[in-house]
Amino acid sequence: RKEVEQDPGPFNVPEGATVAFNCTYSNSASQSFFWYRQDCRKEPKLLMSVYSSGNEDGRFTAQLNRASQYISLLIRDSKLSDSATYLCAVRPPVYSNYQLIWGAGTKLIIKP
Amino acid sequence: GAVVSQHPSWVICKSGTSVKIECRSLDFQATTMFWYRQFPKQSLMLMATSNEGSKATYEQGVEKDKFLINHASLTLSTLTVTSAHPEDSSFYICSALRGSYGAVRTDTQYFGPGTRLTVL
Repeated sequence: RKEVEQDPGPFNVPEGATVAFNCTYSNSASQSFFWYRQDCRKEPKLLMSVYSSGNEDGRFTAQLNRASQYISLLIRDSKLSDSATYLCAVRPPVYSNYQLIWGAGTKLIIKP
Repeated sequence: GAVVSQHPSWVICKSGTSVKIECRSLDFQATTMFWYRQFPKQSLMLMATSNEGSKATYEQGVEKDKFLINHASLTLSTLTVTSAHPEDSSFYICSALRGSYGAVRTDTQYFGPGTRLTVL
């Protein structure tokens, strides 16, 4: 089992719809969780950190489910510009230097 | 805040030459930076962790003599690809670690824009 797993997609979603995807992690003692977005041929950009209580930033909501060991990202009222690959990253406690374990990414395509 | 620059953004070189890539944190100090490589349609692969003032820590399978890392200051890390070959052609991305000290300490990686290396 991979340490961090994501559905690679692609998720084809009409503009304006709500879309959600999950990311599962294997180390139950993991401490920090992040969502990044990566556009084609660009660097990853931090979308949001994921806190235990969940957090929301505009149309984006991230949740952490420790019991089932996954994080989720919900995008409401999706825009064409939301098309990208969404990477989740997890920091397990055994790693020094604050390394992250990365998922392979979920590709999202928003269609007009 | 949390701006990371990377230079050059792209480079084309002949096989056998060495290429140096710079990564700078512009508005914060970073004792730790990371170097990644990403091949087309593949996920990020961590190459090494760069710590200011000490030797880099390389991931398994990454040749430290081929990928030289120097983290000489709190805002600059460099990656030198020595004797580059066509199989080294890839997208090299650095990230810098920035700590935040709110209710919960969270250290977050911020990425540079990447360097696309093509070795002929």
